[in-house]
Amino acid sequence: SQKIEQNSEALNIQEGKTATLTCNYTNYSPAYLQWYRQDPGRGPVFLLLIRENEKEKRKERLKVTFDTTLKQSLFHITASQPADSATYLCALISNTGNQFYFGTGTSLTVIP
Amino acid sequence: NAGVTQTPKFQVLKTGQSMTLQCAQDMNHNSMYWYRQDPGMGLRLIYYSASEGTTDKGEVPNGYNVSRLNKREFSLRLESAAPSQTSVYFCASSSQTGYQETQYFGPGTRLLVL
Repeated sequence: SQKIEQNSEALNIQEGKTATLTCNYTNYSPAYLQWYRQDPGRGPVFLLLIRENEKEKRKERLKVTFDTTLKQSLFHITASQPADSATYLCALISNTGNQFYFGTGTSLTVIP
Repeated sequence: NAGVTQTPKFQVLKTGQSMTLQCAQDMNHNSMYWYRQDPGMGLRLIYYSASEGTTDKGEVPNGYNVSRLNKREFSLRLESAAPSQTSVYFCASSSQTGYQETQYFGPGTRLLVL
């Protein structure tokens, strides 16, 4: 079955630095991968989608890479701000497009 | 435009009791989903409805039933609640199923089964 692993430890970084979050997967070859943000007590919110042939995708201060050989996606937040503090989830989409498989998430805290 | 709404926000049940979690979306989306989120387990799909009139099992359907009442509403029923069903339940919707579709989530229902 599919297995998705994200940074098991919470990530603390100083404001202004770049945060890098990791999503590794096994037993699967997704064509698409998505990243979501989740704040405490709220539902996840979509951030970015990347296709397997799009090695890198950017949106404002966010950057996502997708390495299908390593079976890994990296999520970067540049010039991090305290408002970026949240849990970030990666999600793989099944080959049929019907089901999403989410990682457990990485908790990010940006320290002023 | 409220997006995805869920009721109730919080519920306490005793083992063996039943309840229905309600979900509605006002984005004219075809597809709707129910997830549960547990510490260390991430979001897991319980059931989904690709379109009005259809429902399918996800990863963890045992102990649950669903009804796609109409295009807007998708309910999740626990017939006989068990402590293992203590969790946070999220409803989500998307325009349709498919690789490029993003999901819009509700605020969640926190369920405690004693």
